[in-house]
Amino acid sequence: DTGVSQDPRHKITKRGQNVTFRCDPISEHNRLYWYRQTLGQGPEFLTYFQNEAQLEKSRLLSDRFSAERPKGSFSTLEIQRTEQGDSAMYLCASSPPGTNTGGELFFGEGSRLTVL
Amino acid sequence: GESVGLHLPTLSVQEGDNSIINCAYSNSASDYFIWYKQESGKGPQFIIDIRSNMDKRQGQRVTVLLNKTVKHLSLQIAATQPGDSAVYFCAGGGGYQKVTFGIGTKLQVIP
Repeated sequence: DTGVSQDPRHKITKRGQNVTFRCDPISEHNRLYWYRQTLGQGPEFLTYFQNEAQLEKSRLLSDRFSAERPKGSFSTLEIQRTEQGDSAMYLCASSPPGTNTGGELFFGEGSRLTVL
Repeated sequence: GESVGLHLPTLSVQEGDNSIINCAYSNSASDYFIWYKQESGKGPQFIIDIRSNMDKRQGQRVTVLLNKTVKHLSLQIAATQPGDSAVYFCAGGGGYQKVTFGIGTKLQVIP
């Protein structure tokens, strides 16, 4: 399978615990995005990497959220001291290099977080 | 900020008929306008995009129309099939811009 993979697919945690999600993009893609999606809503942009550089962070990404892409390949999204409002689907997407790639992002299946 | 929104939350269409999903946007600075399809439990899947300097683009059974004068985007699906049942999102951005999604329209295909 050469698509975007995310792990874990489901995570149930208690409020106050830390969680970490991993995303493996398509190998030749240098751009990697994290989005959050709640029921009935469209995906909300969280952050974006080009290679290992984090180029943009949404104001939605509080200090409890941190994302890394240390070697420009896989990425992790960590949420510290989780709150019930963090319950959502966390989506990762990647796209190839170049400005003429249009709007096509390749999404993974998502990591669903439930905070009790 | 950039904002993309939809006119209708749910659209029911008879199998075999054509579907038209509409979208209004507020930010004209997007390089591309894009349509994504999301099936239950899956990540969004790219359908088609249109560059901001175009007004029409056709794909396989789908056509996207862009009216920059009234900031309106539409997706037309020909001969709608049961497999087209999903939530459809319009989005703006692309290229070096982040992609910003709207709320979504649920398409229900009636057999």
